[in-house]
Parts: sequence; structure tokens; C-alpha cells
Amino acid sequence: DAKTTQPTSMDCAEGRAANLPCNHSTISGNEYVYWYRQIHSQGPQYIIHGLKNNETNEMASLIITEDRKSSTLILPHATLRDTAVYYCIVRVAGYNQGGKLIFGQGTELSVKP
Amino acid sequence: ETGVTQTPRHLVMGMTNKKSLKCEQHLGHNAMYWYKQSAKKPLELMFVYSLEERVENNSVPSRFSPECPNSSHLFLHLHTLQPEDSALYLCASSQDTSGRGELFFGEGSRLTVL
Repeated sequence: DAKTTQPTSMDCAEGRAANLPCNHSTISGNEYVYWYRQIHSQGPQYIIHGLKNNETNEMASLIITEDRKSSTLILPHATLRDTAVYYCIVRVAGYNQGGKLIFGQGTELSVKP
Repeated sequence: ETGVTQTPRHLVMGMTNKKSLKCEQHLGHNAMYWYKQSAKKPLELMFVYSLEERVENNSVPSRFSPECPNSSHLFLHLHTLQPEDSALYLCASSQDTSGRGELFFGEGSRLTVL
């Protein structure tokens, strides 16, 4: 699986948009970009994923650059409950690929009042 | 509530004890996973099961012994552990191992080895 690079930590003011960047310059054509988050000592929570197009759901938006070498997760109106470690993961799709997620260090997002 | 339940949530054991962690998923998934998360470290994949068959063992020491009796249940049997095995053990499930669906994680079992 391709390696991702994320900032170690970020701060965001409550009510503002949180933009979390991720570099995945060695991503392959059959690899998806997944985002998970982990609130302290809980299990990781799925946020969103995409292949080429931008995606939006009730939690967040995912913007993938045209060359697919980087992406940004956007939390449109961050709340204190969004304080967590955010993981950007690239994952191969296809049968017999194992389906596993390989986690990096992630970005520790602190939302401040 | 993700549909993946882990028990116990907390476990303290001595190095000579034998204990087991249990994971149950109510999602009708066919793939299940064990991850380990040590303090200040990323999650590490330990085992992958697909349709009750182990498809990946990520160089895990034999003192960790997984068991998958059916597609809804996954166990991690522990024996003669070391203090450095203290960690949060996370179970996850997914529809299959195709990589096209997300993994759903349980809340984890916090293990302390004395």
C-alpha cells in the first residue's frame, strides 16, 4: 500500500472549517483514499473514502487533486467533539488484496473554543 | 455503536495467566481483523480472517493465538504474555476482503500485563 504523509498536529477554532491535508504521491490507480478518526482510547471511526472524484457525506468532504497525489479532508464546522487523531490511508481495492487498512501516525486535531 | 462488540473492555493479567479476548459482529460481515495499538504508536495489523479462514498473520508471536469459529465471532487467546504486550487490542469487521468497503471497529480491549 502507498505511504501517506500527514502533519503531526493541527489546531482549529470551534465553528470553523478544519482542513486536514494528506500527501500520497505514490498512490496507484487501484488505490482508494480512506479517512478514519480515533477519539482518545476508542476504536477508529470511518469518515469517508474516494477514488478520483470529490466526495461528501454528513460528516465531511474529501477533495482529491486531479493527479491523485494529495487530498484534503474538510470538516465544515468543527466542534469540540471532533478533537481526535485523523488517519489518511490508501488502500488497494480488488479481490485477494486482503482488505486490510494500514495505519500511519495520523494528524492530531485539537478543536479549541 | 458500530455493531462490533468487544469483551472484556479492560483486562489485567499476569505473565503466567491464560486469558481470551472476544469480538462479536452483528453486521453479517465475512471478514474480521485483530489490531494492536501500543501507547503513542499507530495501529498494527495482527490477523485477518475471511470466512473463518486465517488469510494473514502479520508476524505475530505465538503467545497470541486467534480463533474464528464462525463469521460472527473472533477470539484472541493470550498466554505467557510480556509486559510489552500491554496495549489496546481492536477488533474490526468488513463485508469481505475485497477492499471495497469500510472496516467497522469495536471499542477495544485494554490489556495490562503485569
